[in-house]
Amino acid sequence: GQQLNQSPQSMFIQEGEDVSMNCTSSSIFNTWLWYKQEPGEGPVLLIALYKAGELTSNGRLTAQFGITRKDSFLNISASIPSDVGIYFCAGQRGAQKLVFGQGTRLTINP
Amino acid sequence: NAGVTQTPKFQVLKTGQSMTLQCAQDMNHEYMSWYRQDPGMGLRLIHYSVGAGITDQGEVPNGYNVSRSTTEDFPLRLLSAAPSQTSVYFCASSYSGGRASTDTQYFGPGTRLTVL
Repeated sequence: GQQLNQSPQSMFIQEGEDVSMNCTSSSIFNTWLWYKQEPGEGPVLLIALYKAGELTSNGRLTAQFGITRKDSFLNISASIPSDVGIYFCAGQRGAQKLVFGQGTRLTINP
Repeated sequence: NAGVTQTPKFQVLKTGQSMTLQCAQDMNHEYMSWYRQDPGMGLRLIHYSVGAGITDQGEVPNGYNVSRSTTEDFPLRLLSAAPSQTSVYFCASSYSGGRASTDTQYFGPGTRLTVL
């Protein structure tokens, strides 16, 4: 089945560093979403992007909807310990189901 | 609001057994869906429903049945469990399934299923 290519698969950083991850697809999406999942819980929506070229921030998080509509990135600035988790991108077309990336596991050394 | 609830939280089955994973939401959401999450695979859609009485297949529907008799409930049935169905299962719901630009899918806490 279709999946998004998300990279990197894992990141090990120092507290205070900036983080960048991205997703690419061979297909166009109308919506790009970024979720965070913590152990034993379901994914929680962080940022939703609805227009090509859109740049949206949520606190220290910034995400962009690629101009080709086939990619998106998420940046986290000045990372803190509670940023630890798995980050997923997801693409959506209209009222259809989400297609998820494989996830980026973020580990932070204090 | 309890949001999206799932039961049980953990389950161990033997090959060939059947069971139903329960999912309920109290937000009057039209759209509900089931995903499975496997290591390195992200989440994959099993089945979804756009309203009571309407269901459709997702990416990996084989071995699973669903029904939607009420707006609130969307159970997932495994008819004859297989080891390949060992996974974490998530139920999600949203108001319109993404038609509205401000729509959001809310996920339940998950059911961890092991099939021996």
